[in-house]
Amino acid sequence: AQKITQTQPGMFVQEKEAVTLDCTYDTSDPSYGLFWYKQPSSGEMIFLIYQGSYDQQNATEGRYSLNFQKARKSANLVISASQLGDSAMYFCAMRGTQGGSEKLVFGKGTKLTVNP
Amino acid sequence: EAEVAQSPRYKITEKSQAVAFWCDPISGHATLYWYRQILGQGPELLVQFQDESVVDDSQLPKDRFSAERLKGVDSTLKIQPAELGDSAMYLCASSLRWGWETQYFGPGTRLLVL
Repeated sequence: AQKITQTQPGMFVQEKEAVTLDCTYDTSDPSYGLFWYKQPSSGEMIFLIYQGSYDQQNATEGRYSLNFQKARKSANLVISASQLGDSAMYFCAMRGTQGGSEKLVFGKGTKLTVNP
Repeated sequence: EAEVAQSPRYKITEKSQAVAFWCDPISGHATLYWYRQILGQGPELLVQFQDESVVDDSQLPKDRFSAERLKGVDSTLKIQPAELGDSAMYLCASSLRWGWETQYFGPGTRLLVL
């Protein structure tokens, strides 16, 4: 079975500083995808970044980068130059190919608070 | 920018009543998903459609939940009768096709069952 673990229930960071949100995963699929989503208090899940298991380079999208360490089964999200608007819940998710379903398996999330 | 639409945004109902949620995916997206998110947890898939066909409904409580996507475009999720434990956020997502495509989510429907 696939599993995502996010061990940080809450994180605090000062505005303009960088922050790393941890994510480890477990899967027996040889091919899989890893995603990070942001969920503000309004509730919508906003896609941030994607990393494929066979991608050679770490994914980057603007201020977001994914530190992918396949051997350690970790996919940490790095947010550079934090902004007040980054305060939200962040979810790590994995998609595999088991059972023919393309469902995402989510972690429990990390609540990020950016302080001015 | 194209978005997934959901309605209503909020719903309060009494237990044993019926409720229905509607989702309109991004135009051209063949795959549609319904997730349930209980407070303090990540979303969990209830049902996945490819066009009008159900691909995965293994986690859908079929004694009270039903979902349809008759014309392969918009979709309705129904609960009848609602129970207290159904209070949650119901999220709809869509992706371009079955495969390695990013899922884009709607704003969700917050359900409170009293």
